Amino acid sequence: AQSVTQPDIHITVSEGASLELRCNYSYGATPYLFWYVQSPGQGLQLLLKYFSGDTLVQGIKGFEAEFKRSQSSFNLRKPSVHWSDAAEYFCAVGEEYGNKLVFGAGTILRVKS
Amino acid sequence: EPEVTQTPSHQVTQMGQEVILRCVPISNHLYFYWYRQILGQKVEFLVSFYNNEISEKSEIFDDQFSVERPDGSNFTLKIRSTKLEDSAMYFCASSKGTVGANVLTFGAGSRLTVL
Repeated sequence: AQSVTQPDIHITVSEGASLELRCNYSYGATPYLFWYVQSPGQGLQLLLKYFSGDTLVQGIKGFEAEFKRSQSSFNLRKPSVHWSDAAEYFCAVGEEYGNKLVFGAGTILRVKS
Repeated sequence: EPEVTQTPSHQVTQMGQEVILRCVPISNHLYFYWYRQILGQKVEFLVSFYNNEISEKSEIFDDQFSVERPDGSNFTLKIRSTKLEDSAMYFCASSKGTVGANVLTFGAGSRLTVL
């Protein structure tokens, strides 16, 4: 069965600093990987996705993520964090012909000025 | 940009009452989903729906839950007799195809509070 681990429940970074949010997945075949962001009172917005091909994927709002099969990881990065990036971030994995996403527990990002 | 809309945004109900949460998926999407997020916990899959029938459901989705597409635009989640533990944020989502190569677009959620 698929599973996703986000080891960091909370992360606090200074505005302008770089950010890396960790995600590890467990899935037997080629995974379909996603990062979603949830701002307070908002729904889940897709940041980026990995289906195949280039292992470094670019997303919206200046985010990128790198798929590393050998480490079963799909970490999210941003070179310079803005105060508006404060939100909860979810990593998720899906099956090729599946009907569901499996989400990690989420990482709450706080940005200090 | 097309979006998934959910109503109500917040509902408070008494234990044992029936609740219907409504969703309008993106118009050219064929797959519909409900997820829930209990406060402080993971977003969990409840059910997927395609071609007017359930394609997959989780063990959470017991006989108290049902889904329906009553017309060409709405997709509903009914909880027949609510329990305290049903208090959660419920997210509707839709996609063009199966999860693997298709992106799920989520609504803003319906917060259900059961007293």
